[in-house]
Amino acid sequence: SQKIEQNSEALNIQEGKTATLTCNYTNYSPAYLQWYRQDPGRGPVFLLLIRENEKEKRKERLKVTFDTTLKQSLFHITASQPADSATYLCALPPGAGSYQLTFGKGTKLSVIP
Amino acid sequence: DTAVSQTPKYLVTQMGNDKSIKCEQNLGHDTMYWYKQDSKKFLKIMFSYNNKELIINETVPNRFSPKSPDKAHLNLHINSLELGDSAVYFCASSQEFSSTYEQYFGPGTRLTVT
Repeated sequence: SQKIEQNSEALNIQEGKTATLTCNYTNYSPAYLQWYRQDPGRGPVFLLLIRENEKEKRKERLKVTFDTTLKQSLFHITASQPADSATYLCALPPGAGSYQLTFGKGTKLSVIP
Repeated sequence: DTAVSQTPKYLVTQMGNDKSIKCEQNLGHDTMYWYKQDSKKFLKIMFSYNNKELIINETVPNRFSPKSPDKAHLNLHINSLELGDSAVYFCASSQEFSSTYEQYFGPGTRLTVT
């Protein structure tokens, strides 16, 4: 079954820098991949969906890339702010034809003022 | 105007008891889900419901029984609670039963079994 690995459990960066989070998956290459943000004590919140033919997608300070050859998605936050501190989860279908999502364990990002 | 709501927010109970968690969405979505997030923060799908019908039941003990009285509600009943059931349970919904649609999550119910 699909395995999802997010590069590190925790990532600390300085305010104003660009944060880069990694999501690697094994086996089945999905046609699309989603990213969510989760704050402590709250449910995940959808951020972006990227399709395999999009290569890159942007939303304000967020940028997601999707490389099906490397089986990897990168999630970038530019000009990071302390308010960006949260856990970021990637999610994708566990297999071909699957309609549900499998979530990665997440990377906890801390932006230090 | 909460999109997905759950009650209660916290639930503390003893082993062997039976408890229920309620979930409601006001987004007009067709599909609802229950997820379990354990102490290691893994978010795992438990059930998927589409138009009030169970679509997917992952390997969840049959002590867990979801019930969907209508498209807007999906409740989770748990019998004979065990220590290992302690976790945060999230309800979610999506417009349709497809992983191309984003999911909207409720605030979670933290269940503690003592």
